[in-house]
Amino acid sequence: EPEVTQTPSHQVTQMGQEVILRCVPISNHLYFYWYRQILGQKVEFLVSFYNNEISEKSEIFDDQFSVERPDGSNFTLKIRSTKLEDSAMYFCASSEETGGYRGYSYGYTFGSGTRLTVV
Amino acid sequence: LAKTTQPISMDSYEGQEVNITCSHNNIATNDYITWYQQFPSQGPRFIIQGYKTKVTNEVASLFIPADRKSSTLSLPRVSLSDTAVYYCLVGGPTSGTYKYIFGTGTRLKVLA
Repeated sequence: EPEVTQTPSHQVTQMGQEVILRCVPISNHLYFYWYRQILGQKVEFLVSFYNNEISEKSEIFDDQFSVERPDGSNFTLKIRSTKLEDSAMYFCASSEETGGYRGYSYGYTFGSGTRLTVV
Repeated sequence: LAKTTQPISMDSYEGQEVNITCSHNNIATNDYITWYQQFPSQGPRFIIQGYKTKVTNEVASLFIPADRKSSTLSLPRVSLSDTAVYYCLVGGPTSGTYKYIFGTGTRLKVLA
């Protein structure tokens, strides 16, 4: 079964430092997403990306965040100056169609996440 | 996007059938209903998706009544490893949005 791969699995960074979280979506998927989940809380939408541009973003996704698809396979989330409250699990996901629909099938496929700890 | 409402938590015993119901009164005509499972420190995992009536796969069944204002995820003969959070999500290709919104989900605890 195809997988979404995220690296690193765990990253510890100092407050104010820049971090880049990396994701390799499923190869034939066209839509890419970042979500985050603070420990014990809901999975929160950050941003969706299609055709090399941001489709939608949440209020969490402020100027400190950016996304990029630098080549045909990677999808990255950059946090420019991390804050303590950015500590969370960050999940990348991909889908063939918007809304996660692809006939009777699979919705989004999520990666296993990157645990970001800001100290 | 249609708002979904699920029970916050449920307990069950191994070997029992578990039914988790989700209400989505404002579901749009072209929206699909999708259920995800999440284990601690892992990404959500797709379980099943449907539009109407009944869908069954090797993991679960999804029952959707004719008015589509609710849906029920049925897990047959649960085991301890089914302890997880289950999310009901509603959306589709014409929902006008590129995202799913996760609610709080239903925390299922399977007891021995």
